[in-house]
Amino acid sequence: EAQVTQNPRYLITVTGKKLTVTCSQNMNHEYMSWYRQDPGLGLRQIYYSMNVEVTDKGDVPEGYKVSRKEKRNFPLILESPSPNQTSLYFCASSSRRNEKLFFGSGTQLSVL
Amino acid sequence: GESVGLHLPTLSVQEGDNSIINCAYSNSASDYFIWYKQESGKGPQFIIDIRSNMDKRQGQRVTVLLNKTVKHLSLQIAATQPGDSAVYFCAENFRDYGGSQGNLIFGKGTKLSVKP
Repeated sequence: EAQVTQNPRYLITVTGKKLTVTCSQNMNHEYMSWYRQDPGLGLRQIYYSMNVEVTDKGDVPEGYKVSRKEKRNFPLILESPSPNQTSLYFCASSSRRNEKLFFGSGTQLSVL
Repeated sequence: GESVGLHLPTLSVQEGDNSIINCAYSNSASDYFIWYKQESGKGPQFIIDIRSNMDKRQGQRVTVLLNKTVKHLSLQIAATQPGDSAVYFCAENFRDYGGSQGNLIFGKGTKLSVKP
């Protein structure tokens, strides 16, 4: 089954404690992206990757890092999480940038 | 749980009726548009897309209409069912006037509630 898998589904952490949210896709997509979704603000792009070892900033990249060492994986790293990063995060992939994105089920992050 | 539905415009329809969800987009140079459906507790799911060289596209029970003159997009759902209850949002593939591709811009969404 074609899918984007992200883990964990829920995460509660404290300010400053580094964390990684994993994302994996099984569709051989070149394009992958991370979004955060906040009430009243809609989906906003954090980072995206056009291919292995090619990443670029989205609209809200501050406080986040990503890496793309393999085509299927695109982890999101918060080196020092802060409460304003409490949000619902989605990973997505597609064969072509911005088109027909497949989304994961989301990671609800709370930073205390 | 997630609260992404807070303060969203809501459309309430009777089961079996047709639904029309509207979206205004920002940039006349945008060349590709998508509708997504997001059910509670799930990630957005692709419904239908349309390119700017078209003004209408039909899928299974869904139709997207594009009016470039007024920068307006609509999603029509025929014979709405309880399983259609979700938040629907549009997205535009932003391009600047030089043709360079920008990021996908998502609308805030409309909550569709289907009464049995």
